Amino acid sequence: GNSVTQMEGPVTLSEEAFLTINCTYTATGYPSLFWYVQYPGEGLQLLLKATKADDKGSNKGFEATYRKETTSFHLEKGSVQVSDSAVYFCALSDPYNFNKFYFGSGTKLNVKP
Amino acid sequence: DTAVSQTPKYLVTQMGNDKSIKCEQNLGHDTMYWYKQDSKKFLKIMFSYNNKELIINETVPNRFSPKSPDKAHLNLHINSLELGDSAVYFCASSQDGLAGETQYFGPGTRLLVL
Repeated sequence: GNSVTQMEGPVTLSEEAFLTINCTYTATGYPSLFWYVQYPGEGLQLLLKATKADDKGSNKGFEATYRKETTSFHLEKGSVQVSDSAVYFCALSDPYNFNKFYFGSGTKLNVKP
Repeated sequence: DTAVSQTPKYLVTQMGNDKSIKCEQNLGHDTMYWYKQDSKKFLKIMFSYNNKELIINETVPNRFSPKSPDKAHLNLHINSLELGDSAVYFCASSQDGLAGETQYFGPGTRLLVL
C-alpha cells in the first residue's frame, strides 16, 4: 500500500539555522510528491512538489529532491526565519488514483529569534 | 477572493445532533475533497467528488454523507454526532484530478462534540 513517514517533531531551531525534515514513502508505481505547510489556525498550502524521479521542487528558499532509489523527499532550507514556524506535511498522490493523497503525520517547526 | 471557503469555521454541538459543513470553491475546479484532521494532526481523506460524482469513499461511518449540488460545492452532513467526530474538517479542490495536480485547501472547520 501507499504511506508516508515523516520525522517526529517538534523541531526547534534558531533563526538562520539549516533545516532538514525527513520524509520517506512507500508506493506502488511512481507517485507525485508534495510538501504542504500549515500555519496556525489555517488550512494547508502547497509549498513545493515534484512529479518524477530526480526532480527538485523549490519555493521560498525551501527545496526537496525526489529520490527514487531511497524513496525519499526530504525538505531543506538553508536559513530559517521565525515566520517559517508551522507544521509541514509530506504527501504523495496514489500513482493509480491521482485524486487520492496520503499525508505524513506532520512535523511541527518552531523557529526562535 | 477566497479560493476554497468553508462554513462554519467553528462548530460546537452536543452528542447525537445532526450538523452540516459547507464548502465552496471559486477556482473552476472539477474535483473536491473532504479530509479529517485529528488531534494529532494526522490528515486522512474521507470523500472525493468529480463533477458531482462520488469517486473516493474511504472507510467512513455512514453517518457521514457528502452532497455535491454542483461542481463548485461539496457539503458534508453528519448525523448522530459522536465524541470521536471532534476534529478539524478540511475541504479541498483540484483542477481535474490528474497526476501531479495540487490540491487547494480551505481554512478548516473545527468541530467539537460535547
